Amino acid sequence: NAGVTQTPKFRVLKTGQSMTLLCAQDMNHEYMYWYRQDPGMGLRLIHYSVGEGTTAKGEVPDGYNVSRLKKQNFLLGLESAAPSQTSVYFCASSYGQGGGYTFGSGTRLTVV
Amino acid sequence: AQRVTQPEKLLSVFKGAPVELKCNYSYSGSPELFWYVQYSRQRLQLLLRHISRESIKGFTADLNKGETSFHLKKPFAQEEDSAMYYCALTETSGSRLTFGEGTQLTVNP
Repeated sequence: NAGVTQTPKFRVLKTGQSMTLLCAQDMNHEYMYWYRQDPGMGLRLIHYSVGEGTTAKGEVPDGYNVSRLKKQNFLLGLESAAPSQTSVYFCASSYGQGGGYTFGSGTRLTVV
Repeated sequence: AQRVTQPEKLLSVFKGAPVELKCNYSYSGSPELFWYVQYSRQRLQLLLRHISRESIKGFTADLNKGETSFHLKKPFAQEEDSAMYYCALTETSGSRLTFGEGTQLTVNP
């Protein structure tokens, strides 16, 4: 039982490049989330999904897009990376209401 | 809008000393409060939630609605408690967590 798996674990991008971060969960969770973690700012919600085929904006959605074509996968895309998107990205999932998240191990992204 | 504030970015105590990590929140409805912990370069883990009123690894937290606080306490800190601690809030019928800025706890030998 892997829980929540994120790939890749590390990535360095040049400004303007694009990439997709993959989050996969094997717990049949309905809800999935993407957060970014920055020093002194805690975790901020980028986008989230309350079920297959649904997505919604979080606190800091600009510059990111997401898709949830399959229940177990939640993809985060950066169309044109900027240095301000240098961060650690965490994916999480939950059954639904109640806040009991299961987190992935994170993706450390550097944009130069 | 809901907001969570952890006033201390860094907290350092000696082994065996009591520790209290502060968390204050603002929310007009009935919130659910949580503490998450992140050990060095590991994923975040749920430490405890106020509705279960349990003690995990010796930590407890009491929701004080009057002071809108949910401070995390442990009477005798251990070196293995060194980690980043995040307080988080969601509305009772909601799913999205709002996190505080985090407090880095260091327990010195």
